[in-house]
Amino acid sequence: EPEVTQTPSHQVTQMGQEVILRCVPISNHLYFYWYRQILGQKVEFLVSFYNNEISEKSEIFDDQFSVERPDGSNFTLKIRSTKLEDSAMYFCASRAVAGANVLTFGAGSRLTVL
Amino acid sequence: EDKVVQSPLSLVVHEGDTVTLNCSYEVTNFRSLLWYKQEKKAPTFLFMLTSSGIEKKSGRLSSILDKKELSSILNITATQTGDSAIYLCAVEVYNNNDMRFGAGTRLTVKP
Repeated sequence: EPEVTQTPSHQVTQMGQEVILRCVPISNHLYFYWYRQILGQKVEFLVSFYNNEISEKSEIFDDQFSVERPDGSNFTLKIRSTKLEDSAMYFCASRAVAGANVLTFGAGSRLTVL
Repeated sequence: EDKVVQSPLSLVVHEGDTVTLNCSYEVTNFRSLLWYKQEKKAPTFLFMLTSSGIEKKSGRLSSILDKKELSSILNITATQTGDSAIYLCAVEVYNNNDMRFGAGTRLTVKP
């Protein structure tokens, strides 16, 4: 069954460092998403991406965050200067078309900021 | 502001019990409601509901949407320890590309 692949599964970084989380969405999917889940809290929407640009973003997705699709397969989330409160599980998700199909989630990347 | 509220937040039952999880929502331009199961990591899809009153069923799990009450329930009959997970409810709206999640219900099924 097609799946969304995320790397790394766990990253530990120092506060102020840049982090790049990588995702390979399902190959025929067109819409890509990043969600965040702080330990013990709800899953929160960060950003959606379609046609090589951001289609929506939440208030969490500030100037420290950026997304990119550098080639035809990878979808990355960059955090420029990490803060302690960025520690969370970051989920990538994708779907084929807007609304009509469910999101398929990756297994997540756990980010720990020290 | 769009809201998705799940209850209870936490539930402990014994194997064989039946559970009902609730999700209520306040959103504009409702499109669909989805249930996901989250065990260790990624949420996995259970049901998508768009029409009121039509029950969706998969094995011991079933779910139904009530658009008048702006809510949905997820039922699990004859629970097993493998049903222990966080059950997430999410709502999609028209003209918006994201999904809004509730806080989840943590279900623990004891042997």
